[in-house]
Amino acid sequence: QKEVEQNSGPLSVPEGAIASLNCTYSDRVSQSFFWYRQYSGKSPELIMSIYSNGDKEDGRFTAQLNKASQYVSLLIRDSQPSDSATYLCAVIGAGSYQLTFGKGTKLSVIP
Amino acid sequence: DAGVIQSPRHEVTEMGQEVTLRCKPISGHDYLFWYRQTMMRGLELLIYFNNNVPIDDSGMPEDRFSAKMPNASFSTLKIQPSEPRDSAVYFCASSLQENEQFFGPGTRLTVL
Repeated sequence: QKEVEQNSGPLSVPEGAIASLNCTYSDRVSQSFFWYRQYSGKSPELIMSIYSNGDKEDGRFTAQLNKASQYVSLLIRDSQPSDSATYLCAVIGAGSYQLTFGKGTKLSVIP
Repeated sequence: DAGVIQSPRHEVTEMGQEVTLRCKPISGHDYLFWYRQTMMRGLELLIYFNNNVPIDDSGMPEDRFSAKMPNASFSTLKIQPSEPRDSAVYFCASSLQENEQFFGPGTRLTVL
């Protein structure tokens, strides 16, 4: 059974701070990793994808992947109240098209 | 470009009734996914299609659930008969090949 684990939170950070969201996965042969943002009552929205070890930056967002430790993280710099949402980590295994989601971390950015 | 379209957005029905959820994927996408989201279990994949062919339905909870994709621009998820424990938000998503999936707005189903 493939598992993706996230701290459910809530994670509270002050406006302007760095928010750090973490995710671990059980399937060692996982190949593709995604972060989705979901506002309350809305659908998941893809914000980052990462496929190889290291960091990937896109604006205020940085995804970090460490396949040896089976760990992926998302950093949000200069956090804004509009970043308040649930962040879902998702993983695709080798030879699969099936996304396995974590249950999400709820982020609250305090003005 | 329109995103994934789902209908209805909200459905309230009574136990035992048939429920049909509809999805139109993004034009040109060859993968279509049906998910269910609940507070307890999070987001779970029910079934996915590639080029209109069901590939993996291992997530379908039981025989009361069925899904079809008669053409590249339309899919349905049917529950017959519905039960209160089927209450959830059902999402449809589509992707081009195997990577980034884009979600529709979802259908909030309440079974009384």
